[in-house]
Amino acid sequence: SQQGEEDPQALSIQEGENATMNCSYKTSINNLQWYRQNSGRGLVHLILIRSNEREKHSGRLRVTLDTSKKSSSLLITASRAADTASYFCATVVSGGYQKVTFGTGTKLQVIP
Amino acid sequence: SAVISQKPSRDICQRGTSLTIQCQVDSQVTMMFWYRQQPGQSLTLIATANQGSEATYESGFVIDKFPISRPNLTFSTLTVSNMSPEDSSIYLCSVDEGSGTEAFFGQGTRLTVV
Repeated sequence: SQQGEEDPQALSIQEGENATMNCSYKTSINNLQWYRQNSGRGLVHLILIRSNEREKHSGRLRVTLDTSKKSSSLLITASRAADTASYFCATVVSGGYQKVTFGTGTKLQVIP
Repeated sequence: SAVISQKPSRDICQRGTSLTIQCQVDSQVTMMFWYRQQPGQSLTLIATANQGSEATYESGFVIDKFPISRPNLTFSTLTVSNMSPEDSSIYLCSVDEGSGTEAFFGQGTRLTVV
């Protein structure tokens, strides 16, 4: 089963607004990552946050991680039409062989 | 960062036939991963391919259906065998430069089985 469940499944906003996506997961993790996928093509890595970090920024992206609640959020500020894509959280669990497990994804539409 | 070339980018295949997807990386990597993304769904890991050993398959995926080769540290193939319409998906290869850090993806192969 998927490690991460994302909310909302779909989000439609106006250009310039902020977009927030949430991810919940089930087991202890080593790190959590966010990826973007345009039109069913390859995924692009956006940001990685480790289990001992609480917040991370990269340009217009802000990611938070709450390990006590097993949840993360991705905030995109001042959205642009080019941000239209599907966004996936992905977790790497602690211990042993580390593989990346993807969440269900959020489909973001930014309307110009 | 790794650059991954995956081909074909798309194909339409008849049921009962097989398709082999190739994945070429521009640097040597220990582990390569194959994912399936069914229409409108997230990515599901099919198997992990290490050079010089048999691929490790995830629950629900078997070698007879998805044979994988890994002849060297920069190349892998995934074959989708005896295809049915349910195999219509995007197949993606990925590499991870170590310890569950950032993963790099090919552009995917969009497979339609008719």
